[in-house]
Amino acid sequence: KQEVTQIPAALSVPEGENLVLNCSFTDSAIYNLQWFRQDPGKGLTSLLLIQSSQREQTSGRLNASLDKSSGRSTLYIAASQPGDSATYLCAVTGGSEKLVFGKGTKLTVNP
Amino acid sequence: DAGVTQSPTHLIKTRGQQVTLRCSPKSGHDTVSWYQQALGQGPQFIFQYYEEEERQRGNFPDRFSGHQFPNYSSELNVNALLLGDSALYLCASSLAGVGYNEQFFGPGTRLTVL
Repeated sequence: KQEVTQIPAALSVPEGENLVLNCSFTDSAIYNLQWFRQDPGKGLTSLLLIQSSQREQTSGRLNASLDKSSGRSTLYIAASQPGDSATYLCAVTGGSEKLVFGKGTKLTVNP
Repeated sequence: DAGVTQSPTHLIKTRGQQVTLRCSPKSGHDTVSWYQQALGQGPQFIFQYYEEEERQRGNFPDRFSGHQFPNYSSELNVNALLLGDSALYLCASSLAGVGYNEQFFGPGTRLTVL
């Protein structure tokens, strides 16, 4: 059974800091990995999707990496801003399109 | 281009009642998945519909059922509501057969069971 763990559960940083969120999964036979952002009480916004054959994806100040063999992914956020405050969720699929999520990392960026 | 839409936004029910939640997929998508997100938890997969049939199901009881219509929209029905069914219900859509099957989520329906 696939399990996804995200560390840390919460993170508070000053504005402008670069930061890394971690995601690990127990079964390396994944099809792809997605990072999502969730604002309080809202739906999920897809940030980055990494296919199993890829090592990383970049979008603006965000960079996500994937190491299938070790069952790990990181989301790097450069020059953090207060608007980046949200919960960040990592999810993997095993080819069936069913997403298995971690519990998320709640990020607070202080002005 | 309209994204995934869900209705209603909020819903309050009492134990034992039945509820129906609705989802319209992103334009061009044909697959709809439903997730339950309890407070402070990650979303949990309920089931997925494709070509009007349930294609996959997560670890949820038969009280949870669904339907997909010819226009690809979908409904989630929950019978005999329990307090523990209180959660944010998320719908996601995707296009079957596309290599990486990126899923797009709606804003969710917040269900409160009293």
